[in-house]
Amino acid sequence: AQSVTQPDIHITVSEGASLELRCNYSYGATPYLFWYVQSPGQGLQLLLKYFSGDTLVQGIKGFEAEFKRSQSSFNLRKPSVHWSDAAEYFCAAGYNFGNEKLTFGTGTRLTIIP
Amino acid sequence: DGGITQSPKYLFRKEGQNVTLSCEQNLNHDAMYWYRQDPGQGLRLIYYSQIVNDFQKGDIAEGYSVSREKKESFPLTVTSAQKNPTAFYLCASRVTSGREWEYEQFFGPGTRLTVL
Repeated sequence: AQSVTQPDIHITVSEGASLELRCNYSYGATPYLFWYVQSPGQGLQLLLKYFSGDTLVQGIKGFEAEFKRSQSSFNLRKPSVHWSDAAEYFCAAGYNFGNEKLTFGTGTRLTIIP
Repeated sequence: DGGITQSPKYLFRKEGQNVTLSCEQNLNHDAMYWYRQDPGQGLRLIYYSQIVNDFQKGDIAEGYSVSREKKESFPLTVTSAQKNPTAFYLCASRVTSGREWEYEQFFGPGTRLTVL
């Protein structure tokens, strides 16, 4: 069965420090991959997406993600976090054919400390 | 501004009552989705529709129903058969052009349903 795993439920980072959020997928073929961010009580906003080509993807708000086929991973990174980055982050995967459903990970909650 | 609206933001209902959540989009998207979000479980797909007058069950459709009579609207009814309806509900939409750079889902702000 297709699945997306985010192994870290909660991460705490100091403001100004670097960040890496992990995401692993289990699919029959390489899916399209996404990172979304959600502030409390809000909808999801797309940070970045990978569908083909360059394995390092740049997104909004200074985020980037690297696709590694050999590790079935799509980790999200930011060199220096800001207090406003505190939120929940979701990794998702899907195919652009057939039923076109997305499978979401369970999310990683990011806390920023001063 | 184009986007997805969900109403109401908060909804309270008594156990045993049906309730309908609204989702409207003016993005001219063909496909629309309903997700349920519970703490620690991510998003789970309830129903989705790729075209007007057609919809498919997602992973947790039991106790829910939908309609798609207009392209811009995809209301979700939470019926009394849903055993644990208290949750945060998110509506999403996307284009279905087949062009890979357009493949992303846009989300509404959500409706928090509490059943008392």
